[in-house]
Amino acid sequence: AQSVAQPEDQVNVAEGNPLTVKCTYSVSGNPYLFWYVQYPNRGLQFLLKYITGDNLVKGSYGFEAEFNKSQTSFHLKKPSALVSDSALYFCAVRDRYNFNKFYFGSGTKLNVKP
Amino acid sequence: EAGVVQSPRYKIIEKKQPVAFWCNPISGHNTLYWYLQNLGQGPELLIRYENEEAVDDSQLPKDRFSAERLKGVDSTLKIQPAELGDSAVYLCASSLDRGQNTGELFFGEGSRLTVL
Repeated sequence: AQSVAQPEDQVNVAEGNPLTVKCTYSVSGNPYLFWYVQYPNRGLQFLLKYITGDNLVKGSYGFEAEFNKSQTSFHLKKPSALVSDSALYFCAVRDRYNFNKFYFGSGTKLNVKP
Repeated sequence: EAGVVQSPRYKIIEKKQPVAFWCNPISGHNTLYWYLQNLGQGPELLIRYENEEAVDDSQLPKDRFSAERLKGVDSTLKIQPAELGDSAVYLCASSLDRGQNTGELFFGEGSRLTVL
């Protein structure tokens, strides 16, 4: 079955330190990969996507993500965390061979402490 | 450019009452989605439209949920009658899909339903 896994319910990091939010997927073929962020009582906001090409993609607010085909992973990273980065982060995968369905992970709550 | 607009933002009703949510997607976006999101969880697809056609409604509980997208623009999602377990956030999203379907989803702010 197609699925997206975010193994950590919560990630805690100190402001100024690098952060990583993990995502692995099990979707056939070469899916398109996305990261979204959700602040309290708001909708999901698009951060970045991987379609093809360079394995390191850059997105909004200084975030980047690294695609690893052999490990079927798409981890979200930022070199220096800000308190304002505290939010809920969702990894999503679009299955090109199954009616372009989007599959979302369960989300990871990022807490950045001053 | 205006984003995806949803209304109402919040709705409180008693069980067995009907409720409707409205969504206006980004202008020109041909694909529209309705998702359900429970607290602290990822969105779950209810229905997806390509223009006027519902191309994926396999997860829509058709005994009480219905949706329509008139003229391929605005959409409404209705629940009748509502049950306690329907309390959740209902998210609308749209995307511009042409050719390779690489488009990302753009989400509205959501409609939070509380059923008492």
